[in-house]
Amino acid sequence: GESVGLHLPTLSVQEGDNSIINCAYSNSASDYFIWYKQESGKGPQFIIDIRSNMDKRQGQRVTVLLNKTVKHLSLQIAATQPGDSAVYFCAEPSGGGNKLTFGTGTQLKVEL
Amino acid sequence: EPEVTQTPSHQVTQMGQEVILRCVPISNHLYFYWYRQILGQKVEFLVSFYNNEISEKSEIFDDQFSVERPDGSNFTLKIRSTKLEDSAMYFCASERGTSSDSQYFGPGTRLLVL
Repeated sequence: GESVGLHLPTLSVQEGDNSIINCAYSNSASDYFIWYKQESGKGPQFIIDIRSNMDKRQGQRVTVLLNKTVKHLSLQIAATQPGDSAVYFCAEPSGGGNKLTFGTGTQLKVEL
Repeated sequence: EPEVTQTPSHQVTQMGQEVILRCVPISNHLYFYWYRQILGQKVEFLVSFYNNEISEKSEIFDDQFSVERPDGSNFTLKIRSTKLEDSAMYFCASERGTSSDSQYFGPGTRLLVL
């Protein structure tokens, strides 16, 4: 079935290093993806999105890469800071409407 | 920056009781959603709402659940007779509805059913 999922449940990085969080999807017709950050006890916070007509999009300290050939999505965080510690979800609209299907999430831990 | 707000932040209730979770979406948004997240699990879609009616709902959203937009600002989720397994974080989200927009989530209501 269609799914959006993540490769690794936990990622630990040193402060100042770059982080790469991965996501795989199975529906080759998917054309829009979103990354959310969820800090403990808070709601998902929109980080960045990308459409399938792009393979890269940059924001402030974040870059999303889309590889449609292997149906893979990644979120790169430059110069990771303690405030980046959170669970990161990729998500996509599914089912013909706008409802979002979330992956299981990757816990990013930033070590000082 | 406008944001989605939710009340209460925490709700404790007895099994079988009715609860109403409230949300104020971003003012110029047209699509509204409820999601839930059981502790340690991923966020799950419950229901979407547009033009004063439900546009889509999940299997979780059974007859015990209902949504309402009673006025121009509030969006509510009612659970008529709560069950233990309804304990979760409930997130409201809203979306402007243009092709380039995404959903923005509220801070959530933590519901605990005893």
